[in-house]
Amino acid sequence: DIHMTQSPSSLSASVGDRVTITCRASQSVGPYLNWYQKTPGNAPKLLIYGTSNLHSGAPSRFSGSGSGTEFALTISGLRPEDFATYYCQQSYTAPTFGQGTKVEI
Amino acid sequence: EVQLVESGGGLVQPGGSLRLSCVASGFTFRDSWMTWVRQAPGKGLECVANIKEDGSDTYHVDSVRGRFTISRDNARNSLYLQMTSLRAEDTAVYFCAREGRVGTYSYGENNYHYYGLDVWGQGTTVTVSS
Repeated sequence: DIHMTQSPSSLSASVGDRVTITCRASQSVGPYLNWYQKTPGNAPKLLIYGTSNLHSGAPSRFSGSGSGTEFALTISGLRPEDFATYYCQQSYTAPTFGQGTKVEI
Repeated sequence: EVQLVESGGGLVQPGGSLRLSCVASGFTFRDSWMTWVRQAPGKGLECVANIKEDGSDTYHVDSVRGRFTISRDNARNSLYLQMTSLRAEDTAVYFCAREGRVGTYSYGENNYHYYGLDVWGQGTTVTVSS
C-alpha cells in the first residue's frame, strides 16, 4: 500500500491567514492526489481532486499543487468555517489517506 | 438527490460479527466503484475496503483482510460490509462513499480520469466492547 504522510499534524492560525499543508507519498502517485475537509460529526467533503482541480462547490480560496510524491493544499484567507481537519488521499491505487492536519484557532 | 444511507452499526462483543449496509439513490449505482472508510475515535480516516462496479474486483486493507468482506447487490443499489472476528480496534464510525469519476484530462491521444470520494453517507457507529 502507498503510505501518505502529512505535515504538520496540527497548526494554529487566525481568520484571514494563508495556510499551507503538505502531503508526501511513499511512491509516485502521479497527479492522483485528492484533499478532503472533515469536521466533527460530519462526513468528509472532497475539496480538490487530481492535485489541483477544485471540486464542485468547494470555495476558490482552496488550492492544490504538486506532483509525483510531494503535494500541498493552500487556504488563502482562512474563514471561521475552515477550522477543520484536512486529509490528503491518493487515488493511484486502492485509496489511502494521510493522518490528517487539524487547523485550529 | 444523490444519497448514501448506512445502517447496521451497533455494540458487539469482541469476536462477534456485524453486517453493515449502504443503500444508494439518485445516481447509477452499478456504474460506480464503492468504498468503506472508517474513523476510529480520535483517529484519522482509513479506507477499509473498496469494490469494482460489477463486484469482480475488491480490496481490503491489511488490518481487516480475512475478517471483513465487501460486497454489493446492484439490483438493490446496495453495498455491504460483513465484519467477523471483531476487535476493540475496529471500533469506529464507518462511512460508505462513492468513488466518482470527478474529472478527465487528456495526454497525447488518450483520455484519463480522476476519481475521488465525492458522495458520502452519514456514517454508522460500530462499538466493539465486552
